Amino acid sequence: DAGITQSPRHKVTETGTPVTLRCHQTENHRYMYWYRQDPGHGLRLIHYSYGVKDTDKGEVSDGYSVSRSKTEDFLLTLESATSSQTSVYFCAIRKQGPLLNGYTFGSGTRLTVV
Amino acid sequence: GDSVTQMEGPVTLSEEAFLTINCTYTATGYPSLFWYVQYPGEGLQLLLKATKADDKGSNKGFEATYRKETTSFHLEKGSVQVSDSAVYFCALIGYGNKLVFGAGTILRVKS
Repeated sequence: DAGITQSPRHKVTETGTPVTLRCHQTENHRYMYWYRQDPGHGLRLIHYSYGVKDTDKGEVSDGYSVSRSKTEDFLLTLESATSSQTSVYFCAIRKQGPLLNGYTFGSGTRLTVV
Repeated sequence: GDSVTQMEGPVTLSEEAFLTINCTYTATGYPSLFWYVQYPGEGLQLLLKATKADDKGSNKGFEATYRKETTSFHLEKGSVQVSDSAVYFCALIGYGNKLVFGAGTILRVKS
């Protein structure tokens, strides 16, 4: 879907363990985003990136870190997973040009913290 | 900050019924407005968009009109099908250039 791949698609992990989710794009877009989706909250922005090594926090960034060492990869890390981080995580890209088309989303990663 | 409010669901309709999902927004300036759809087990897809007042976005029989005076962008379809069953998200991009979502509305269409 528009060259965005998220991995893994599903993961179950234990409380307190570190977890890294990967978002890979093939189209060389500058802007990349990580959202989490929870019932009753829609999608909320965790972190975003506007270039290699350039990242910033979103509205729900506590407990998460990100890295972008290459244009094509945007990694989301939960340093010490908690049950409140059980969620579906979506990566998105913003294509260059006017913002008319919004963002394009990956297929999501379902993370369960037990 | 910018925010989007959608009507709560789930909305349950019979096939061929008329659909309205209400969406209102709060934003600084003149945001662009979007409806996204999420089918079961999938990611989000852009359904339609509007970028200025009185613009009408349309796609797959769905329509929404950007109403600046009421800060609304309600989604409508004249005759829903079972295949329209999904979660619908209203969203905006405003001054901060980030996509802000409403909570989503589940639509269930019965045959």
